[in-house]
Amino acid sequence: AQSVTQPDIHITVSEGASLELRCNYSYGATPYLFWYVQSPGQGLQLLLKYFSGDTLVQGIKGFEAEFKRSQSSFNLRKPSVHWSDAAEYFCAVDPGFQKLVFGTGTRLLVSP
Amino acid sequence: SAVISQKPSRDICQRGTSLTIQCQVDSQVTMMFWYRQQPGQSLTLIATANQGSEATYESGFVIDKFPISRPNLTFSTLTVSNMSPEDSSIYLCSVEEGTESYEQYFGPGTRLTVT
Repeated sequence: AQSVTQPDIHITVSEGASLELRCNYSYGATPYLFWYVQSPGQGLQLLLKYFSGDTLVQGIKGFEAEFKRSQSSFNLRKPSVHWSDAAEYFCAVDPGFQKLVFGTGTRLLVSP
Repeated sequence: SAVISQKPSRDICQRGTSLTIQCQVDSQVTMMFWYRQQPGQSLTLIATANQGSEATYESGFVIDKFPISRPNLTFSTLTVSNMSPEDSSIYLCSVEEGTESYEQYFGPGTRLTVT
């Protein structure tokens, strides 16, 4: 079945440490790929996207993501986490129908 | 990116009643979307609303329960009808900007609690 998987429900990272959030998808062709962040009580903010070309994409707030076709993955990374990064992160795919399918989300906790 | 507002931001409603949620965009957009985020869950697309045509509903969502209007290129409404506690969710509208970007931008959401 077509799906988007975020295997980590919660992740705790120390402030200043690096971060990697995992996302895998199962679609026949490479979909458009997105990462969104949802802070408490806030709507969703688009962090970055991948459509084609360079497989390492840069986003806002110092985030980047790498598309790996062989692994059907689109993992989000940040070299140094700030306390303000604590939020829910959603991976989403558009399989070509201009409809977003979201993963289940990963809640990031940042410890001092 | 477009600035999107939603009204109300939150509401508490009694079962059996209906609530209409408004979504306003500060620029003209072709495609608008309505999503539901149940407590502790991810987002699920309810329907796609294009101006001048009937909304297209996803599997599991029907027009009688979630009627949608799209009177112009900057506004849409979603009604949650005959509510039950299972309808307690955050409802978000989003818009797609640009002809090739396929990027969706979201409003702040409406938090609905049904008692």
